[in-house]
Amino acid sequence: EIVMTQSPATLSVSPGERVTLSCRASQSLTSDLAWYQQKPGQAPRLLISGASTRATGIPARFSGAGSGTEFTLTIISLQSEDFAVYYCQHYNDWPPGYTFGQGTKLEI
Amino acid sequence: EVQLVDSGGGLVQPGKSLRLSCAASGFTFGDYAMHWVRQAPGKGLEWVAGINWDRGSVGYAAAVKGRFTISRDNAQQSLHLEMNSLRPEDTALYYCAKDSGRHIAAGPIDSWGQGTLVVVSS
Repeated sequence: EIVMTQSPATLSVSPGERVTLSCRASQSLTSDLAWYQQKPGQAPRLLISGASTRATGIPARFSGAGSGTEFTLTIISLQSEDFAVYYCQHYNDWPPGYTFGQGTKLEI
Repeated sequence: EVQLVDSGGGLVQPGKSLRLSCAASGFTFGDYAMHWVRQAPGKGLEWVAGINWDRGSVGYAAAVKGRFTISRDNAQQSLHLEMNSLRPEDTALYYCAKDSGRHIAAGPIDSWGQGTLVVVSS
């Protein structure tokens, strides 16, 4: 079973900064990797699929990169609404099903 | 607009059963695989179960296999999760989630319900 490891667990940043979140897979995924954003009290929201394709309505300040076992989510010019928890997810691996990373919390 | 409305959560004693439901609208329900994903209080996301568009294939996380049953009614545009032999560690917010494709986990989840809270406690 593939294990997804996100780092760091928590990242303290300031509005306007650029930040890069990391997601590492225990085996090669090609590009079957998604990123989700979850704000407190809300359901997750799809940001990125195929490692680098922004979902509908996602601002251009969000970008994804990587392949194989190393993936990143970069947010440039952080806005106040970007402070949330970010999860990576491996898909197209059935069975066993979806595998999520443990999440990275962006805090001020 | 895709809408997924979760319901059926509540407080239940260990060993008892509960049935969750999800009412879908705003898309052709029968064209997509569907899932249940849970989130324990203060924890991350955990995939629970998934079902193909035509009910031809279902799958479960190891933690719930043999206790939970996922089902769907394409005519009624609804998704269900029958949870038996509930344990305290099943306490979580359960989300109904729409796959982006027809087959389980072939693509990412592109829509989520608001979640329904299940608390297993005596």
